[in-house]
Amino acid sequence: EAQVTQNPRYLITVTGKKLTVTCSQNMNHEYMSWYRQDPGLGLRQIYYSMNVEVTDKGDVPEGYKVSRKEKRNFPLILESPSPNQTSLYFCASSFGWGSSGRITDTQYFGPGTRLTVL
Amino acid sequence: GEDVEQSLFLSVREGDSSVINCTYTDSSSTYLYWYKQEPGAGLQLLTYIFSNMDMKQDQRLTVLLNKKDKHLSLRIADTQTGDSAIYFCAESETGFQKLVFGTGTRLLVSP
Repeated sequence: EAQVTQNPRYLITVTGKKLTVTCSQNMNHEYMSWYRQDPGLGLRQIYYSMNVEVTDKGDVPEGYKVSRKEKRNFPLILESPSPNQTSLYFCASSFGWGSSGRITDTQYFGPGTRLTVL
Repeated sequence: GEDVEQSLFLSVREGDSSVINCTYTDSSSTYLYWYKQEPGAGLQLLTYIFSNMDMKQDQRLTVLLNKKDKHLSLRIADTQTGDSAIYFCAESETGFQKLVFGTGTRLLVSP
């Protein structure tokens, strides 16, 4: 089954304690992204990756790091979490950019990770 | 910067049509998307339309684009209780690489 998995699904932590949220896809997708969802703000992109070792900042990258050492994995790292990073986080992957109109151009989202930073 | 606006809430009866509206400000928007988010789940891409199109139909879904007014709508025909969810529109100049999402419209379908 084609899927994007995230772990953990729920996490409560304290300010300053480093954490990593993992994201893995089994579809051999080249493109992966991280978003955060906050009430009244919709989803905002944190980072994205076009391929292994190729990453770039989205709209809200401050306080986050990512890495893409393997095609299937795209972990999100919070080196020193703060309460304003309390949010619902989604990872997404796609084969194409969604710009060609091909049926293969679709984007899959993970189930989300709810993070609370105290 | 780019902005995408949606109304927060829509309530309809089962069997009626639902129309969810979205306005955007970026005149360079080339790709416009509709996503559905069910409770406790990630987003599911429903459909998308290119800026050179006026309309796209996919089974019960009809997307209308008024590029002049920068207005996008999603019509769901014969709305079912299973359609209850939050619907997000999103726009992009380049595709999935960089999306700007609206705040989402919560659709409630009552029997």
